[in-house]
Amino acid sequence: SQQGEEDPQALSIQEGENATMNCSYKTSINNLQWYRQNSGRGLVHLILIRSNEREKHSGRLRVTLDTSKKSSSLLITASRAADTASYFCATDSGFQKLVFGTGTRLLVSP
Amino acid sequence: GAVVSQHPSRVICKSGTSVKIECRSLDFQATTMFWYRQFPKQSLMLMATSNEGSKATYEQGVEKDKFLINHASLTLSTLTVTSAHPEDSSFYICSARGRELFFGSGTQLSVL
Repeated sequence: SQQGEEDPQALSIQEGENATMNCSYKTSINNLQWYRQNSGRGLVHLILIRSNEREKHSGRLRVTLDTSKKSSSLLITASRAADTASYFCATDSGFQKLVFGTGTRLLVSP
Repeated sequence: GAVVSQHPSRVICKSGTSVKIECRSLDFQATTMFWYRQFPKQSLMLMATSNEGSKATYEQGVEKDKFLINHASLTLSTLTVTSAHPEDSSFYICSARGRELFFGSGTQLSVL
């Protein structure tokens, strides 16, 4: 399987804390994307980082990419209860055919 | 507003029936659409790539006779789950490629 691995599988934190999720993948990529999914719902695109970028910020989100290690991390700072969701990385090796990681279930308690 | 519309959002059917799921790009033309399946608490698995005017390309292990894909126009792709069985119960989600990639809101299929 070409599917990426994410860790941790589940993460439980308190509001205000930071949450870090890691993603490893197997193939060369054009870009890597992070998505959020609330239970039983569609995907929300969070951020895209290209293969020639190392770090990207968007609001409370910070994404890093290390193509030599084939890994990426997503940091959510100052988490809120509303951030509770599943988070997936997805790699694009071309033509926007995405391969998703296994996902991290984040629970943020008030 | 949503740029990819997926319908229905939820369907319950009896075992042995066929179910059709539609994926429409609302304000752009999509020569390529993708269909994914997601089992509870698992990730999204790509089932097939749907190309307008040609046969779909299925991923390894996905039965093309079971999951019929029709991409007859630049704004519509359909996935038909034929002779559905309880093990086909899953969340199906499409995406459409324009200048960016947009996802539909998904269809929860429950086969009794």
